[in-house]
Amino acid sequence: NAGVTQTPKFQVLKTGQSMTLQCAQDMNHEYMSWYRQDPGMGLRLIHYSVGAGITDQGEVPNGYNVSRSTTEDFPLRLLSAAPSQTSVYFCASSYGLAAGELFFGEGSRLTVL
Amino acid sequence: DAKTTQPPSMDCAEGRAANLPCNHSTISGNEYVYWYRQIHSQGPQYIIHGLKNNETNEMASLIITEDRKSSTLILPHATLRDTAVYYCIVRVSGNTPLVFGKGTRLSVIA
Repeated sequence: NAGVTQTPKFQVLKTGQSMTLQCAQDMNHEYMSWYRQDPGMGLRLIHYSVGAGITDQGEVPNGYNVSRSTTEDFPLRLLSAAPSQTSVYFCASSYGLAAGELFFGEGSRLTVL
Repeated sequence: DAKTTQPPSMDCAEGRAANLPCNHSTISGNEYVYWYRQIHSQGPQYIIHGLKNNETNEMASLIITEDRKSSTLILPHATLRDTAVYYCIVRVSGNTPLVFGKGTRLSVIA
């Protein structure tokens, strides 16, 4: 099993550019989520999804869009990147929202110049 | 919302037990305590969780006080590979996402 796969692992953007961070899981998990982690900080929740077609906002949703068209994929879109979005992004999944064991991807390191 | 308080950092000698404290004085009766760790810049890893009773698995033990206002994660024989940031999380309800704080940076020293 691949688990939770994130691509790309590294990305450099210019201010105003758009991009999509991909997240895929092969564990048939209903719940998926995106976190960002800034230096010296804990993880902050951006968006989450409890199943295909359902998404909700987390603590820091501004500047990010998500969709969940399939159970396996949960892409995170930056429509107009800003330097404040420079961060490491982690995707996580679990069997359900109530399940406490989250499985995390390896992270995507994004730099916005 | 129930919140947690953890020391920002701790040291532990290799081979010794690492005892990581967590204060959650406002925890409600149906809220679980979860522990995760993050090694270097990897994604966080689930360790253990509990409600009232003490819990043990192959990674660690979780001791929750009788009043549930605090807990301790115990790594019985810490190794250098246990150096990581450890997060104590109290879930507000079963239908809300896990919210991570800043955690405790544990350094295991040879």
